[in-house]
Amino acid sequence: EVQLVESGGGLVQPGGSLRLSCAASGFTFSSYSMNWVRQAPGKGLEWVSYISSSSSTIYYADSVKGRFTISRDNAKNSLYLQMNSLRAEDTAVYYCARFGESAFDYWGQGTLVTVSS
Amino acid sequence: AIWMTQSPSLLSASTGDRVTISCRMSQGISSYLAWYQQKPGKAPELLIYAASTLQSGVPSRFSGSGSGTDFTLTISCLQSEDFATYYCQQYYSFPYTFGQGTKLEIK
Repeated sequence: EVQLVESGGGLVQPGGSLRLSCAASGFTFSSYSMNWVRQAPGKGLEWVSYISSSSSTIYYADSVKGRFTISRDNAKNSLYLQMNSLRAEDTAVYYCARFGESAFDYWGQGTLVTVSS
Repeated sequence: AIWMTQSPSLLSASTGDRVTISCRMSQGISSYLAWYQQKPGKAPELLIYAASTLQSGVPSRFSGSGSGTDFTLTISCLQSEDFATYYCQQYYSFPYTFGQGTKLEIK
């Protein structure tokens, strides 16, 4: 069974940093590209970042470019999102999502990041 | 970036109804479009990819159509479990983008 489990969310002050993790199981993690998607409270979905299976290709949304860094460790079946210079508008539930044969076929349960003083 | 217009934002319907949700792109994306369902407090779930291909396990009352710039999600006979929020997403080019969402509520 495919499982994606996010962790690392919490309350952080504006300007602070946080590192999210996504532990993958039930599939060959190293064969799939991965994404982070976020959802602000009561709002819609926003794609945040993409990383290819080998980490050779990475993309970011303009809203996080220069502040967030996506990475993965295929040996540990894990995906990461390092978030720096956090702002109030980064407050959201962050989901990791697998890019399957087409589109985002599996999602984690999400982890809440709250940026507030 | 590719802009998406999803409509309507709110849809009121009854069990047994047939409903359609539209997604229009600012430029052509071939068939690189997906539809997701999200229930409160839960992660989104993939319903349809490649504009019209039903994800494994999704009931056949869901269907998708379209290509290029105009796409439609149809639910042929609403069931109680279908009342949720629906999002379209283009994965033709980065940045990937989602529609604004359609909340399907019970009339």
